[in-house]
Amino acid sequence: AQTVTQSQPEMSVQEAETVTLSCTYDTSENNYYLFWYKQPPSRQMILVIRQEAYKQQNATENRFSVNFQKAAKSFSLKISDSQLGDTAMYFCAFMKLSNAGNMLTFGGGTRLMVKP
Amino acid sequence: EAGVAQSPRYKIIEKRQSVAFWCNPISGHATLYWYQQILGQGPKLLIQFQNNGVVDDSQLPKDRFSAERLKGVDSTLKIQPAKLEDSAVYLCASSSRRDTQYFGPGTRLTVL
Repeated sequence: AQTVTQSQPEMSVQEAETVTLSCTYDTSENNYYLFWYKQPPSRQMILVIRQEAYKQQNATENRFSVNFQKAAKSFSLKISDSQLGDTAMYFCAFMKLSNAGNMLTFGGGTRLMVKP
Repeated sequence: EAGVAQSPRYKIIEKRQSVAFWCNPISGHATLYWYQQILGQGPKLLIQFQNNGVVDDSQLPKDRFSAERLKGVDSTLKIQPAKLEDSAVYLCASSSRRDTQYFGPGTRLTVL
């Protein structure tokens, strides 16, 4: 079974600054996807970024980028130029690729507060 | 493109009552998931459908929870009878096969 650990329950950052959220995972699989989802108070789970394990290049989406270290089983999210709208819960998630199902295993989340 | 639709958004019931949630996935998405998210935790998968067949329901409490996706499109999740510990947000997600899951807005259930 896979496990996902987010060691920072809460973080804060000043508007326009950069913040990094940590995530580690445990798996014996070699082929999988990793995700960061954002969940604002509205509860809608919104995809932030996706990383395929077979890709060595780190994924980027505008102000969001990841540092994927496969050997270390680490998958951190960097948010540059933080905005007030980035305030939310952030969940790291692991997806094993299998014909038996593609369930997501989520970490416990990190609450991010962007301060003006 | 319309997103995943869920209803109702909120539901308050008393313990031992029954409740049903509805989900309509993104058009063309064959795979549909129901997750339970207890306050302060990450979501946990309850059941996964591929078209109208169940792929994984290993974490569904089958003595009280049931789900169906009869025509391979929309889905209903039912709880009967509800317990206090069922208070949570119920999230529905859909995906194309082996692809990113997109989530609906969720239903917040409070059991009194």
